[in-house]
Amino acid sequence: QITLKESGPTLVKPTQTLTLTCTFSGFSLTTIPEGVGWIRQPPGKALEWLALIHWDDDKHYSPSLKNRLSITKDTSKNQVVLTMTNMDPVDTATYYCARKLALPGNRAFDIWGQGTMVTVSS
Amino acid sequence: DIVMTQSPDSLTVSLGERATINCKSSQSVLHSSNDKNYLAWYQQRPGQPPNLLIYWASTRESGVPDRFSSSGSGTDFTLTISSLQAEDVAVYYCQQYYTKPYTFGQGTKLEMK
Repeated sequence: QITLKESGPTLVKPTQTLTLTCTFSGFSLTTIPEGVGWIRQPPGKALEWLALIHWDDDKHYSPSLKNRLSITKDTSKNQVVLTMTNMDPVDTATYYCARKLALPGNRAFDIWGQGTMVTVSS
Repeated sequence: DIVMTQSPDSLTVSLGERATINCKSSQSVLHSSNDKNYLAWYQQRPGQPPNLLIYWASTRESGVPDRFSSSGSGTDFTLTISSLQAEDVAVYYCQQYYTKPYTFGQGTKLEMK
């Protein structure tokens, strides 16, 4: 059974850096063509893709947020970490990590964590 | 960025009736090298994470009921629920994964009459 779980702070102050950890089980990020991504959803709004890291450490970022994002993996711990700098109230959202569908070239997300709500407020 | 536009924004359908949701991309998501459309559909029930329904525009994910189907190619796609069930009440999203950023539509809220 594949599971993913997000963890991190629920409240951050403006200008601070957010660090979120996705801990997963049931698959390995050393296996072709696995990948884990981050997607967020502001309250009552649509989904927004943020970043994706592949088994071979290939990283994809949303161009509009690229300067603020970093995605890394620790395969020994089965974790993927997302950092987002210079947080703003508009970044208030539920942040999801999700496994990329294990098909070459496919970047749909078949297994999602439950999400973690992050509020940006002073 | 590829803009994904869904229609309608909301939809009310009776139990057992057909529901149709449209998704239009601002540019083609059909990859010429493999003739695949880089398009997925998700269902998001209230308070839940999204659930993958369809990928490659028409391939149903394992475990998804066959009342869900999708068609289309290039820039225009349709998700059809052939006979609405109570558990289908949700928001539905399309997503393109042809090029970064892998954008989602704004969502279509499906309610039961």
